[in-house]
Amino acid sequence: RKEVEQDPGPFNVPEGATVAFNCTYSNSASQSFFWYRQDCRKEPKLLMSVYSSGNEDGRFTAQLNRASQYISLLIRDSKLSDSATYLCVVIPHNQGGKLIFGQGTELSVKP
Amino acid sequence: NAGVTQTPKFRVLKTGQSMTLLCAQDMNHEYMYWYRQDPGMGLRLIHYSVGEGTTAKGEVPDGYNVSRLKKQNFLLGLESAAPSQTSVYFCASSYDTLTNTGELFFGEGSRLTVL
Repeated sequence: RKEVEQDPGPFNVPEGATVAFNCTYSNSASQSFFWYRQDCRKEPKLLMSVYSSGNEDGRFTAQLNRASQYISLLIRDSKLSDSATYLCVVIPHNQGGKLIFGQGTELSVKP
Repeated sequence: NAGVTQTPKFRVLKTGQSMTLLCAQDMNHEYMYWYRQDPGMGLRLIHYSVGEGTTAKGEVPDGYNVSRLKKQNFLLGLESAAPSQTSVYFCASSYDTLTNTGELFFGEGSRLTVL
């Protein structure tokens, strides 16, 4: 089983739609969680951290469910510019702070 | 601001050839990393460095060597390239351990094809 698993998609949604991605992780002692965004043929960039209480940044909401070992990303009012691959990232406990990346979920927002 | 710069951006090699990927960062970051990205596999850590003169193995280190002679540079070497090393390679850096911020600064990537 992969340490971090995501549905690769693609998710094809119309502009204005709400879309949600889930990501599961296998190491219950994982301590930190993040979402990165990667545009086609570009480098990944940090989108947002995921806090235990859930957090919001504009149209983006991230949530963590430690009991079920998954994190989620909700995008409201999707824009064309949201089209990208979204990478779930986990830092397991006691592994020197190294990031473990999921394979990414591809989102395509259509007019 | 240059950030993280990788060279070359593209390279085609024949099996058995050697090459070095260069990574330079101008942010005075202590930590530097080399990842490879393959379809369906996500980003996998090859080697990393927690400071000048130090290196450590990541998840997939076989077939690669690294050096960190200067704080700003992190070199990734392939001594005898194999087709399985065809991939997109990303260099990244961070100021400190990633536990709190989780923020890696990536270069633009280097696309390597081994024939």
